[in-house]
Formats: sequence, structure tokens, C-alpha cells
Amino acid sequence: AQSVTQLGSHVSVSEGALVLLRCNYSSSVPPYLFWYVQYPNQGLQLLLKYTTGATLVKGINGFEAEFKKSETSFHLTKPSAHMSDAAEYFCAVSASNFGNEKLTFGTGTRLTIIP
Amino acid sequence: DSGVTQTPKHLITATGQRVTLRCSPRSGDLSVYWYQQSLDQGLQFLIQYYNGEERAKGNILERFSAQQFPDLHSELNLSSLELGDSALYFCASSVGSYQETQYFGPGTRLLVL
Repeated sequence: AQSVTQLGSHVSVSEGALVLLRCNYSSSVPPYLFWYVQYPNQGLQLLLKYTTGATLVKGINGFEAEFKKSETSFHLTKPSAHMSDAAEYFCAVSASNFGNEKLTFGTGTRLTIIP
Repeated sequence: DSGVTQTPKHLITATGQRVTLRCSPRSGDLSVYWYQQSLDQGLQFLIQYYNGEERAKGNILERFSAQQFPDLHSELNLSSLELGDSALYFCASSVGSYQETQYFGPGTRLLVL
């Protein structure tokens, strides 16, 4: 079984400041890890994903995340926040189990950007 | 635009009724997944189909059922609706069934009155 914990249901940062959204996972098998973003009244958009290989993953809109196996973490960062980054962010894990590819999501972090 | 389409966008119905939500996956995708997003439960996996066959079940109620048709579109049927079924229902699709990236549709917002 797998699970995801997102620390901080709400995060506020000033425009231009560093964005750090925390995600810790639990998985009994090597996980695939994802970050999705949800803008108001819209569906989920994939930001980035980790499968295997390089542990620093770059995604869209300047976001990146680092897979740290020893810490079971996959935190999302962006060096400089923009107003357009205001949205809800979901971390998710997929752990293959004979083709059961369900995504297990965290509870989400709402990011607010302060002008 | 993910390429996944869902209809209808909004649905308002009464308790006890039955509704059908429809999903068309991205061209070439064989897997379809259904998720429910609600304020109290968050985003929860309901069910997965791969090339017409049920592959996995999650927290799906017995009042709910789904199927995937030969043309690969999928329908989620919700019956004997209760107030608590009000939620956003997402469909996602992926090429295969082995830890593939899932692409999400815009969702169907269901309101049960």
C-alpha cells in the first residue's frame, strides 16, 4: 500500500520568493511520483514526474522536484514565485501492483502568492 | 487541454436519482481511471479499466458502476444518489497500464439536492 503526506494545507509566499511545497510518501515498492496542479474550476495538470534515473526532475512553469529515497520525500520547488502560480498542488504516488496503477493523492496544498 | 473529454460539465439532480458520466480518453490511450474529489475525502481513486476490462477497484460504492466500451470511452453510473455524492468526478487516461502518466479531463461537477 502507498500513501502521501503533504505538509501544510495552505502556503503563502511573496511574489518573487522561493516556493517550497513538501511531500512525503510511503510505498512498499519503488514508486513513481507526480506533482499535479489544479487551477480554480479546472482539472488536474501534470507538472512533473519521477520514474527512475535522475533524482532531480524539471517540470513545466519553472518547477522542479527532487526525489530523496532516504527521506522518502519529493518536495516541489520554484526559485521565484509568480502570481500565476496561485493554485492547488497535489503530490501523488503510483506503485505498480500487477497492473493496478491507481494514483494515491495527498490532501493538497493551496498556494497563495502575495503581491 | 489534456485531450481527455468529459460530459456533462455540470449536473444537478435529486436524491435517489441515477446519472451517467461520460469520458473519452486521449487518442491511443487504453486505460481509463475514475476519481472522485470532495471536500471531506479529497481525491480518491474509484476504478480503472484497461482495454475494456476492469483492472482495479478503489473506494467505489456498490451504488456506483462503470464500464469501458469497445471504442474505449467509459461511463460512470451513479445510482440511488445521496447528498454526500456531490463532488467533482474526474476521468483520466493513460497509454498503457504500467505506471504510465495519467492525463486528467476537466471533470464533471455533480450536485445532489
